Amino acid sequence: DAKTTQPPSMDCAEGRAANLPCNHSTISGNEYVYWYRQIHSQGPQYIIHGLKNNETNEMASLIITEDRKSSTLILPHATLRDTAVYYCIVRVKGNEKLTFGTGTRLTIIP
Amino acid sequence: GAVVSQHPSWVICKSGTSVKIECRSLDFQATTMFWYRQFPKQSLMLMATSNEGSKATYEQGVEKDKFLINHASLTLSTLTVTSAHPEDSSFYICSAPVGTATEAFFGQGTRLTVV
Repeated sequence: DAKTTQPPSMDCAEGRAANLPCNHSTISGNEYVYWYRQIHSQGPQYIIHGLKNNETNEMASLIITEDRKSSTLILPHATLRDTAVYYCIVRVKGNEKLTFGTGTRLTIIP
Repeated sequence: GAVVSQHPSWVICKSGTSVKIECRSLDFQATTMFWYRQFPKQSLMLMATSNEGSKATYEQGVEKDKFLINHASLTLSTLTVTSAHPEDSSFYICSAPVGTATEAFFGQGTRLTVV
């Protein structure tokens, strides 16, 4: 699976959009971009995934660049409960193993 | 969504004893489950893949005789930390994929403290 690079930490004001970047310049054509988050002392939670088109669900939006070398997870209206470590993972669909990088620690500021 | 449940949520044990952690899929069957370990302020590290009805597959550097995995049914995998030492203190997390779903579901984790 391709390696990803994320900033170690970010702050965002409550109510504002949180934009979390991820670089995956070595992604191959059959690899998807997945996002998970881990709230302190809990198991990770799936957020969203995509291949090349932008995706949106009730939790977040995922914007993938045209060359697929980077992506951005957007939490449109961040709340204090969104404070967590966010992991960007690229993998082939069907490969159920997940390789976690260091992630981005997002802190939502009241 | 699907639910994966771990038990216990936390456990304290004495050095040299063994501890068993259970991972259950509550509303689906899981032929494969994964076990991760997470040390403080670090990311999750995959320890092993648990396969129903067959031997587990361990990642490089993980001692299979120390971390015993049993996947005897389609809804239960267990991880036993044998002869635990303080350096085994960690957060252990299991996960299971759901059928053709593209996301994995994780248990809530078990915090093990060896004293």
